[in-house]
Amino acid sequence: TQLLEQSPQFLSIQEGENLTVYCNSSSVFSSLQWYRQEPGEGPVLLVTVVTGGEVKKLKRLTFQFGDARKDSSLHITAAQPGDTGLYLCAGGRSGGSNYKLTFGKGTLLTVNP
Amino acid sequence: NAGVTQTPKFQVLKTGQSMTLQCAQDMNHEYMSWYRQDPGMGLRLIHYSVGAGITDQGEVPNGYNVSRSTTEDFPLRLLSAAPSQTSVYFCASSSPRGGRETQYFGPGTRLLVL
Repeated sequence: TQLLEQSPQFLSIQEGENLTVYCNSSSVFSSLQWYRQEPGEGPVLLVTVVTGGEVKKLKRLTFQFGDARKDSSLHITAAQPGDTGLYLCAGGRSGGSNYKLTFGKGTLLTVNP
Repeated sequence: NAGVTQTPKFQVLKTGQSMTLQCAQDMNHEYMSWYRQDPGMGLRLIHYSVGAGITDQGEVPNGYNVSRSTTEDFPLRLLSAAPSQTSVYFCASSSPRGGRETQYFGPGTRLLVL
């Protein structure tokens, strides 16, 4: 079983602070996806990274895939209350397609005004 | 487009009862999957399908059956509900894009087994 360890599990910060969420594994993944989930809703895809060392930016969010494709990070700059939610990383199995995802346990982020 | 729809939104069952969770998508996606989400456990894959007539087991398949007779529908059947199956169930769909697929999740079904 390929496991994804996500840290921290909970994070409570003030508006304007920066933060980083980590997603680590001892296994290699063909791709790594980050999702955000609001209470009572399904996860929504933020980004997919597939190449070792790949960095993607989505406004104030920066995603990085480790060189060995075993880990990933999500960095948020100047967090806002609207960033509050559950952030999930998910790894895709080797072979290419992401219909069989392995999820981390999630990071519950609270940004206080 | 409605995207991925799931019914019911909430369900309470007694131990031993059976039921079917419905999932439908109108995006003509080949891939569909069922996950369950439990507190502190993240999402775990139950069953998945890569096309009509093709299904396979995920990480936690015991106690669940699936079938895929059409591209649009992927129902999940609980054969004999147990309290351990109390969870939030999500259905997802996607089309193959060489590892860059966008998984679209439904809003979830919240199931309580007494």
